[in-house]
Amino acid sequence: QKEVEQNSGPLSVPEGAIASLNCTYSDRGSQSFFWYRQYSGKSPELIMSIYSNGDKEDGRFTAQLNKASQYVSLLIRDSQPSDSATYLCAVESYNTDKLIFGTGTRLQVFP
Amino acid sequence: DGGITQSPKYLFRKEGQNVTLSCEQNLNHDAMYWYRQDPGQGLRLIYYSQIVNDFQKGDIAEGYSVSREKKESFPLTVTSAQKNPTAFYLCASNQGAEGYTFGSGTRLTVV
Repeated sequence: QKEVEQNSGPLSVPEGAIASLNCTYSDRGSQSFFWYRQYSGKSPELIMSIYSNGDKEDGRFTAQLNKASQYVSLLIRDSQPSDSATYLCAVESYNTDKLIFGTGTRLQVFP
Repeated sequence: DGGITQSPKYLFRKEGQNVTLSCEQNLNHDAMYWYRQDPGQGLRLIYYSQIVNDFQKGDIAEGYSVSREKKESFPLTVTSAQKNPTAFYLCASNQGAEGYTFGSGTRLTVV
């Protein structure tokens, strides 16, 4: 079982819709969770971090964490073509500073 | 502006040649990391350092070497022992429980 799992996609949504990206992780002791956006040929950019159960909102982005289910998600409201990218879920390994990355979900927002 | 600088942006290596990728940060972060990214495989950890003069192997350290003589610098050498070095190399740093900050990456190609 992979430590951090994501559906590779592509996830295609129309402009203005809500995009929902999901991630599961295996280390039950994990405490820190991150979402990165990576445009093709570029480096990852941190867009959200979440540390406790529930929702965290920042502009059009909402991160959701459920530690009991070992599940973290990212919602993008009012999706724009500029949101088209690969979204990487990252989980901090328990007792270390190492982030474990999923393989990413490719999002396509069409006009 | 604070950030991480990776150089060069593109690098070409001949068979049997060692090459060194530069990573410099002015964020005053203690921890630094090297990742390799191949298409469809996400980010894989090569080496990491949590303090000056100390570093640990990641998941795919064979064929690579690093040094951490200064807090600001964490160069990666790709040796001739690395049989398939063509990839996108990403350097990152962090402090505490915050997410990683990435450099812009170096794309290495074997010619």
